[in-house]
Amino acid sequence: DTAVSQTPKYLVTQMGNDKSIKCEQNLGHDTMYWYKQDSKKFLKIMFSYNNKELIINETVPNRFSPKSPDKAHLNLHINSLELGDSAVYFCASSPRDPATNEKLFFGSGTQLSVL
Amino acid sequence: QKEVEQNSGPLSVPEGAIASLNCTYSDRVSQSFFWYRQYSGKSPELIMSIYSNGDKEDGRFTAQLNKASQYVSLLIRDSQPSDSATYLCAVNNDYKLSFGAGTTVTVRA
Repeated sequence: DTAVSQTPKYLVTQMGNDKSIKCEQNLGHDTMYWYKQDSKKFLKIMFSYNNKELIINETVPNRFSPKSPDKAHLNLHINSLELGDSAVYFCASSPRDPATNEKLFFGSGTQLSVL
Repeated sequence: QKEVEQNSGPLSVPEGAIASLNCTYSDRVSQSFFWYRQYSGKSPELIMSIYSNGDKEDGRFTAQLNKASQYVSLLIRDSQPSDSATYLCAVNNDYKLSFGAGTTVTVRA
């Protein structure tokens, strides 16, 4: 299947732990993103990579570190998890130049619950 | 001021009626505008894009854009229960897509 796939789908962990979310797209897109959706459904961009290079880094705590080993993968590592990090994290990719952002293809999301 | 603002709803409409969703944005230089639909527990999916002032129709959906008023809307005609979802307005500016908080639509049979 051609898609954006992210794992795990659910992640339940204790405060202070370190966790990673993985994302892969086989659509041949150059641009990948991480978005965070809070409990009020507000979807906010965190990071954007174009061809493995970071192009957008919103005001995100430096406990969050994205890594793109190649243009098909964008992983998110989170250190010292806090209660406020609980949210759904969506990976997405786009076929176009990030300046145009024609269409985002979203992964199925990772529901992170920090206890 | 938020970059993209929408009425959060919920918006309840009877089956067969027109659902009207509104969105305003703050950055005058924005050029690309999108509507995404998100079913509960699922990821957003693009349903409409619009770039020029005026109306754009696609099946039962019509997007309307007024750049002077910094306003974009979505009309859903002949609403069906399957249209029950959260609709996210998105605006492209400065290399990123900014989303509104979404309007939840419920179509009652």
